[in-house]
Amino acid sequence: DSGVTQTPKHLITATGQRVTLRCSPRSGDLSVYWYQQSLDQGLQFLIQYYNGEERAKGNILERFSAQQFPDLHSELNLSSLELGDSALYFCASSVGISDSYNEQFFGPGTRLTVL
Amino acid sequence: AQSVTQLGSHVSVSEGALVLLRCNYSSSVPPYLFWYVQYPNQGLQLLLKYTSAATLVKGINGFEAEFKKSETSFHLTKPSAHMSDAAEYFCAVTTDTGRRALTFGSGTRLQVQP
Repeated sequence: DSGVTQTPKHLITATGQRVTLRCSPRSGDLSVYWYQQSLDQGLQFLIQYYNGEERAKGNILERFSAQQFPDLHSELNLSSLELGDSALYFCASSVGISDSYNEQFFGPGTRLTVL
Repeated sequence: AQSVTQLGSHVSVSEGALVLLRCNYSSSVPPYLFWYVQYPNQGLQLLLKYTSAATLVKGINGFEAEFKKSETSFHLTKPSAHMSDAAEYFCAVTTDTGRRALTFGSGTRLQVQP
């Protein structure tokens, strides 16, 4: 158990819908990362937050957005869903400090199926 | 920018044989390198990591990897494959003391034949 929790574990929805995926980082971790794992794109970085602020963006679609709340949990919002958005979405967290190595700890993932 | 290339999307070995999964990286700054394993319908588990200390890194389940700067490689090895090693393996790279996002390779599916 990495200490990172993600809910829900599975999500089945229809095209055009909107969903929210939730991530609670390990206690004390300030940085949260979202990754998408799909059959055609592999594992790719979507977006990173550090202490409530967006820090870096990867290959995140405009239909997707995220935020990190004052209690440091994060939500990934996916809207106008398409079949191709079906994927496993991972959240990872790390301490986020600069003067020592920051290991990223991964949550179990949320499997999204768009029908 | 950094990237990793995993040579061979599928590798098949016999039980008891040497496992060698290849990873080459590209990074303009000193990298941090990782190997993750993913079993079917499960999340990512960290096997081992290189964070600029010893170049030969030992991980869990008998795996190890050697960082070779001259070859820009970080190949994963295990002397004797076990049936339970069958899984998908991902090499990943990051920089800046790991504060940046991981860049993953495309993965190598390891099959272990009895």
